[in-house]
Amino acid sequence: IQLTQSPSSLSASVGDRVTITCRASQGISSYLAWYQQKPGKAPKLLIYAASTLQSGVPSRFSGSGSGTDFTLTISSLQPEDFATYYCQYLKSYPLTFGPGTKVDIK
Amino acid sequence: EVQLLESGGGLVQPGGSLRLSCAASGFTFSKYAMTWIRQAPGEGLEWVSAISGSGAATYYADSVKGRFTISRDNSKNTLSLQVNSLRAEDTALYYCARGDVRLRSGYYYIPFDIWGQGTMITVSS
Repeated sequence: IQLTQSPSSLSASVGDRVTITCRASQGISSYLAWYQQKPGKAPKLLIYAASTLQSGVPSRFSGSGSGTDFTLTISSLQPEDFATYYCQYLKSYPLTFGPGTKVDIK
Repeated sequence: EVQLLESGGGLVQPGGSLRLSCAASGFTFSKYAMTWIRQAPGEGLEWVSAISGSGAATYYADSVKGRFTISRDNSKNTLSLQVNSLRAEDTALYYCARGDVRLRSGYYYIPFDIWGQGTMITVSS
């Protein structure tokens, strides 16, 4: 399974709605997770099963999709959300990551 | 507090070896699959290897198969990664992470919910 993400980077302002797409090379049902990584820090789990929010993650984050096309949405971008976001295939090994989408300040 | 702490990284010559360790605390270690993920400088995440809770099942990325060996000692709450025949392209920050089984709509998912801070391997002559 190969995962692609688009865009590879984006610039946005605080308060913007941001959408990141992850596409799988073949259908993976809902076996997808999203992680957030800030510079110098370990990744943090945001969403699994394509749309289930990890405990403690703000509700402005949401995930959707099934099969080959998935979306991570941040409904209102906050200063602490500027980071790189990765999708990850969850069903079987190898547990591929997407190449990442960097969200920075416009 | 649930925590993972990696150690064992360093500077090593091509062809050399290292043994990485990940000390777990704050949870019942033997109940969780564990994994190693690496990140080359300025690059994305690459899954490297995983091991089941009992240690009976192990999995490797093609890029490290035959060179890396994952293991665990549940009596010591420790995950290890023996890395041999190192190459320049193995230079990366190596994270250990916990795989937590989640049941959702009748299906099981194993996302990585706890991560360590990583240990760096630099392969250079």
